[in-house]
Amino acid sequence: DAGVIQSPRHEVTEMGQEVTLRCKPISGHDYLFWYRQTMMRGLELLIYFNNNVPIDDSGMPEDRFSAKMPNASFSTLKIQPSEPRDSAVYFCASSARGGSLSYTFGSGTRLTVV
Amino acid sequence: AQSVTQLGSHVSVSEGALVLLRCNYSSSVPPYLFWYVQYPNQGLQLLLKYTSAATLVKGINGFEAEFKKSETSFHLTKPSAHMSDAAEYFCAVSDKGAQKLVFGQGTRLTINP
Repeated sequence: DAGVIQSPRHEVTEMGQEVTLRCKPISGHDYLFWYRQTMMRGLELLIYFNNNVPIDDSGMPEDRFSAKMPNASFSTLKIQPSEPRDSAVYFCASSARGGSLSYTFGSGTRLTVV
Repeated sequence: AQSVTQLGSHVSVSEGALVLLRCNYSSSVPPYLFWYVQYPNQGLQLLLKYTSAATLVKGINGFEAEFKKSETSFHLTKPSAHMSDAAEYFCAVSDKGAQKLVFGQGTRLTINP
């Protein structure tokens, strides 16, 4: 398996623009997580899905952020409109059911909003 | 809510020396505990995990961690540091039966030649 695949690796956008981050989880994993990493706040869980259904979105900063998982092999995190304070590395991770909680992380998307 | 505290945002050791990275958790009920490593410009990789089996857990790359309930600790150790161990290390916690992990702030490990 190729692991968790995120795209793009880097994104530079202007304030006010829409940004869409993409994630393909490991086949057979039924949990998908979106994390944000910044120097100030560390790793924050934004939202997670189980069997394509959002379970906990309490970490989503505000209404400008939205996430979807239309099928078991694809998820998106959208920011509209983007702001400079959204600049961070966004990670997607997936795990299989069974309580093992062994996340597999993607390589992340480094977002810069100017 | 569960949380972990990593003592020391930056640890520096000499090559060949003992590595000790500290992690304390906040819970009256023993949770699941994890250590992850992050190399520059990469995602996190699982080093080891404690899920209420043996209290001494062995992981990859020669690392191990010991769960101590009396101290609410889960410190990460390696007897002899290697240059390739330079990375950021994260302790994480989860309630049993839950699926989400809460990460500590991370400890950056530097290895001096």
